Amino acid sequence: GAVVSQHPSRVICKSGTSVKIECRSLDFQATTMFWYRQFPKQSLMLMATSNEGSKATYEQGVEKDKFLINHASLTLSTLTVTSAHPEDSSFYICSASPPPKNIQYFGAGTRLSVL
Amino acid sequence: GQNIDQPTEMTATEGAIVQINCTYQTSGFNGLFWYQQHAGEAPTFLSYNVLDGLEEKGRFSSFLSRSKGYSYLLLKELQMKDSASYLCAVRDGNTDKLIFGTGTRLQVFP
Repeated sequence: GAVVSQHPSRVICKSGTSVKIECRSLDFQATTMFWYRQFPKQSLMLMATSNEGSKATYEQGVEKDKFLINHASLTLSTLTVTSAHPEDSSFYICSASPPPKNIQYFGAGTRLSVL
Repeated sequence: GQNIDQPTEMTATEGAIVQINCTYQTSGFNGLFWYQQHAGEAPTFLSYNVLDGLEEKGRFSSFLSRSKGYSYLLLKELQMKDSASYLCAVRDGNTDKLIFGTGTRLQVFP
């Protein structure tokens, strides 16, 4: 069964609005979660590492004010795409690693379409 | 720097065997992973190698040679549903981040 839950699976929004995506670890505590973005026919690109109780660590080139990450509990991380624009349209995927092998399992992904 | 290479596309016939290669150069190493990703879906975990050798899991096997920076995923008794992208990923030993290759798109024909 799924170990990571992600919601919503699809979002269509107008340009300028903000969109929140939730990522939950199921039946385990995740002090760290990861957020990826994937454009069509490309591989996964790590955007940021979400750390419970502290600030997220962003990869080079990712705007932290644009992509707000909140990891308020040991089972929930949220990614908010602020003032979304059409170029933010992409497939956003989160992951977390249940112990003990630290294998990263992915949520189902969120397809964001900004009109 | 970080570099992971795998073929862009492969084709194979139903019932056959296919091997997808992956070579990597990373600053640190703490395991190599293979994921399957169907179009429009998130990746699903297939296999994990941290020591040299072969890991077998049903129809799928994965091999690792750390000295050569090389891995392969072997798919046996191919089925149509195996048509998907296969992603090779290396976990950086310093940061624990997963670094993904570009993925190999496999098409299985009847």
